[in-house]
Amino acid sequence: GENVEQHPSTLSVQEGDSAVIKCTYSDSASNYFPWYKQELGKRPQLIIDIRSNVGEKKDQRIAVTLNKTAKHFSLHITETQPEDSAVYFCAASGDSNYQLIWGAGTKLIIKP
Amino acid sequence: GAGVSQSPSNKVTEKGKDVELRCDPISGHTALYWYRQSLGQGLEFLIYFQGNSAPDKSGLPSDRFSAERTGGSVSTLTIQRTQQEDSAVYLCASSSRFRGHNEQFFGPGTRLTVL
Repeated sequence: GENVEQHPSTLSVQEGDSAVIKCTYSDSASNYFPWYKQELGKRPQLIIDIRSNVGEKKDQRIAVTLNKTAKHFSLHITETQPEDSAVYFCAASGDSNYQLIWGAGTKLIIKP
Repeated sequence: GAGVSQSPSNKVTEKGKDVELRCDPISGHTALYWYRQSLGQGLEFLIYFQGNSAPDKSGLPSDRFSAERTGGSVSTLTIQRTQQEDSAVYLCASSSRFRGHNEQFFGPGTRLTVL
């Protein structure tokens, strides 16, 4: 079955700098890759997703890139702000089973 | 409209007691998921209901855990003979179709503490 690995487990960046979180997946049939953000004490919420027919998607300061050959995808946050501090989860799913397989999460800390 | 709701928000119980956790999904959502999240940890899949199909129970950690979904809407997660290691936040999520890739909307969770 699918396995998703996420790195790093913790990432600390200076406010205003960029942050990159990477995930790899094992099942080449996976074709949907969402990213969720979970603020402290809150529920996870979808922030961006990408399907396998595109290589990159942007939404203001966040972007996701997908490399199907290497089976990895990344979340990029530019001009980080204090409100970006949270745990970020990547996930993957395919058409044989729409259930999401989750990465272990990355705690992003934005230093003032 | 209303989002996913869960009750109770907090539950403290004694070891060995049974507990029931409730999830009300977004109206019309046919897929419903239960996850467990221990403090500072990731999302542990428990069970997945999809429309009228048989649920995927592959994530349930032991036979003390069970869940049902009545009328394709409300779901109840039951933990029998609770143990201290069951202490965690239990999250429910729903999505609009069981086919296709759709956003999962999470409820606020139930924080379970087993003394």
